[in-house]
Amino acid sequence: AQKITQTQPGMFVQEKEAVTLDCTYDTSDPSYGLFWYKQPSSGEMIFLIYQGSYDQQNATEGRYSLNFQKARKSANLVISASQLGDSAMYFCAMREFNTGNQFYFGTGTSLTVIP
Amino acid sequence: NAGVMQNPRHLVRRRGQEARLRCSPMKGHSHVYWYRQLPEEGLKFMVYLQKENIIDESGMPKERFSAEFPNEGPSILRIQQVVRGDSAAYFCASSLSTGPEREQYFGPGTRLTVT
Repeated sequence: AQKITQTQPGMFVQEKEAVTLDCTYDTSDPSYGLFWYKQPSSGEMIFLIYQGSYDQQNATEGRYSLNFQKARKSANLVISASQLGDSAMYFCAMREFNTGNQFYFGTGTSLTVIP
Repeated sequence: NAGVMQNPRHLVRRRGQEARLRCSPMKGHSHVYWYRQLPEEGLKFMVYLQKENIIDESGMPKERFSAEFPNEGPSILRIQQVVRGDSAAYFCASSLSTGPEREQYFGPGTRLTVT
């Protein structure tokens, strides 16, 4: 089974609007972390936000927030007030702390911000 | 504080040649991870190393691929007798420790093209 599923290959959003990128995950480990990375066309992977499985509150980092619904095993990324520079690929990733070391990545969502 | 460095950024090899990809982790980081990103896909874990030790190589192809992280110098991912299917972006990441919340800091990647 896929550990991380991102069902939106491509998304469009108007500049200044908010957009939600979907991510669902599958794990039996009670202790895990969820991450979102941005990959612009230049190719580097940029860390955006982290949510731990035991965190009581949804993570926020500036314009990024993570809508964490543990029972549904979803960790959607919300980008508020989209900017042209937000156009990029976005990857959701998970790390299972009891098994350890690697990240599991989804297939990504390509976001295009329209002026 | 320099980030994770990878070189070369782009590498072209003919079928049957060897490819050597280098990764210098962030200063003070002793944990290194290699990932491969095939076109239109997310990153897939290959190997996790600490200085002088391979900790987890569950994602490494059984043949032609090897990795090392010597006590002095960068981590090297070596691909012998490359084939067209090895064409991909190879990312290195490093972390300070393997504590649960520890994100992995990614390098810019090496794009390998096999002709």
